[in-house]
Amino acid sequence: KAGVTQTPRYLIKTRGQQVTLSCSPISGHRSVSWYQQTPGQGLQFLFEYFSETQRNKGNFPGRFSGRQFSNSRSEMNVSTLELGDSALYLCASSSAGGENIQYFGAGTRLSVL
Amino acid sequence: QKEVEQNSGPLSVPEGAIASLNCTYSDRGSQSFFWYRQYSGKSPELIMSIYSNGDKEDGRFTAQLNKASQYVSLLIRDSQPSDSATYLCAVRRAAGNKLTFGGGTRVLVKP
Repeated sequence: KAGVTQTPRYLIKTRGQQVTLSCSPISGHRSVSWYQQTPGQGLQFLFEYFSETQRNKGNFPGRFSGRQFSNSRSEMNVSTLELGDSALYLCASSSAGGENIQYFGAGTRLSVL
Repeated sequence: QKEVEQNSGPLSVPEGAIASLNCTYSDRGSQSFFWYRQYSGKSPELIMSIYSNGDKEDGRFTAQLNKASQYVSLLIRDSQPSDSATYLCAVRRAAGNKLTFGGGTRVLVKP
């Protein structure tokens, strides 16, 4: 069974640009959550999508948005990039049933110059 | 006060010894508790999950939960150099899928 796939693995952008990150969950998983990891703030929850609906949202500005498609794949968009958005962005999928364990993808490392 | 607190370390242990990691949380609504291991430059991988008070063992790992004290711990027995990593404690409320993470404890196992 394939794991969580995130693309691209690395991105370099400049301030003011926007970026879209993609996440394909484990087959059969309907919940996709996004996290931001930085050395200073650690791992922080961005939002969760389930059945194409945002079910939970963390404390991030509106520049951070996401969506989920009918095949459970999810995208995350960051507009008007700031230097502080440089981070590892992690996607996690879960079955939303049973123990509801979240499995993480390899992440997308975003550098904003 | 952070919602989930961990000692950042590094926790240095000799090979073969027991590594003891601690985590405290502030949200009494937390129902599920997880330990993830993260190697440098990699993504977190699940080590243990625990949901009720007491101990849960899986191989060389034992998780302990005390909801009254809002405390969860992880013991690593017979520590190996390959256990050198950052261990992240995460908690989740009953509703929703949001994981709240501690800052992680860096563990160094010296041969």
